[in-house]
Amino acid sequence: DVVMTQTPPSLSVAIGQSVSISCKSSQSLVYSDGKTYLHWLLQSPGRSPKRLIYQVSNLGSGVPDRFSGTGSQKDFTLKISRVEAEDLGVYYCAQTTHFPNTFGAGTKLELK
Amino acid sequence: EVQLVESGGGLVQPGRSMKLSCAASGFTFSNYGMAWVRQAPTKGLEWVATISYDGSSTYYRDSVKGRFTISRDNAKSTLYLQMNSLRSEDTATYYCTSGQLRWFAYWGQGTLVTVSS
Repeated sequence: DVVMTQTPPSLSVAIGQSVSISCKSSQSLVYSDGKTYLHWLLQSPGRSPKRLIYQVSNLGSGVPDRFSGTGSQKDFTLKISRVEAEDLGVYYCAQTTHFPNTFGAGTKLELK
Repeated sequence: EVQLVESGGGLVQPGRSMKLSCAASGFTFSNYGMAWVRQAPTKGLEWVATISYDGSSTYYRDSVKGRFTISRDNAKSTLYLQMNSLRSEDTATYYCTSGQLRWFAYWGQGTLVTVSS
């Protein structure tokens, strides 16, 4: 199985600060079609997950452009510029290149 | 507006069966793969199974293979998860979500399955 390693496990931030979350996979996430199926999700407290970024860097529908995703092969980063209160929760990276699909353990973003 | 509404969860004894449903609306259900993802209490997300847009291909995590069956009825825009021989470790909130072509774009509210005697 592809292991997704997210760091850090938690982040304490002030509103307006910028943060980055890292996600590293144990195998390349480039599929045979040339695309990379690495996605970022946010689960706010008590809510269902919501997709933020799909295929490394594509912003999901309705997602503010304060969120951005970069990376390739096995090394990926989610950046949040100017954190707002609504951004708090647990962030997950997920890969759908290989079966079984796998998720990172999550990064909990809290207010400082 | 896109909606995925899960149903069928509840308390079930170990070894028994349960069937979850996910009713979709607001998008062309038959165009997209679909998946089930679960979350044990206080834990992270765990992929369970995926089905192709037409139901011809299915994929499962090893721990549910042979016990769970994912299926769909495109005429009813409904996704299913038949769960047999349930174990305590299957206790989780089960989410229905979109798969191929719309990976994780849509999520249901989740349905809690508790396996306990």
